Amino acid sequence: RKEVEQDPGPFNVPEGATVAFNCTYSNSASQSFFWYRQDCRKEPKLLMSVYSSGNEDGRFTAQLNRASQYISLLIRDSKLSDSATYLCKVRTGANNLFFGTGTRLTVIP
Amino acid sequence: GAGVSQSPSNKVTEKGKDVELRCDPISGHTALYWYRQSLGQGLEFLIYFQGNSAPDKSGLPSDRFSAERTGGSVSTLTIQRTQQEDSAVYLCASNPRSGLGGYTFGSGTRLTVV
Repeated sequence: RKEVEQDPGPFNVPEGATVAFNCTYSNSASQSFFWYRQDCRKEPKLLMSVYSSGNEDGRFTAQLNRASQYISLLIRDSKLSDSATYLCKVRTGANNLFFGTGTRLTVIP
Repeated sequence: GAGVSQSPSNKVTEKGKDVELRCDPISGHTALYWYRQSLGQGLEFLIYFQGNSAPDKSGLPSDRFSAERTGGSVSTLTIQRTQQEDSAVYLCASNPRSGLGGYTFGSGTRLTVV
């Protein structure tokens, strides 16, 4: 079983829609969680950390569900510019960090 | 520097040649990571440095790959006797301290082995 798994998508949603992605992790001792955004042919960029209590940054909300071992990213009022691949990253130990393979989102006009 | 700088941005090399990729992390960042990403694929971990030492080399695909970091700053990833399957984007990331917070990635080196 992979350390981190994501639905590759693609998720095709209309502008203004709300969309959510999940990222499941296999190690219950995982400690830190992050979402990155990667545009086509660009490097990944940190979108937000995921805190135990959940956190929000504008239209983006990240949540952690330790019981079911997944993190989620919710995007409200989708914009065309949100089209990208969203990668999750999970830290299990000091040197053990794993990326998911990413979920591709396309926002359609 | 202000961001993570990688060079060259693009490299085309003939099969069997050696290549050297360079990463200059954000000033003061002690942790440095190398990943590679093939077309349409996820990030494959290669090696991680804390300062000048590499506690985790487990991701290096073969003994043709090596990396070093000097002065706690610049790192080079060397691929000897390149093969076509080495073609990928090689990404470097740095972090103020191992395991804490998110990474800042460089824009990568796109390696094509012909």
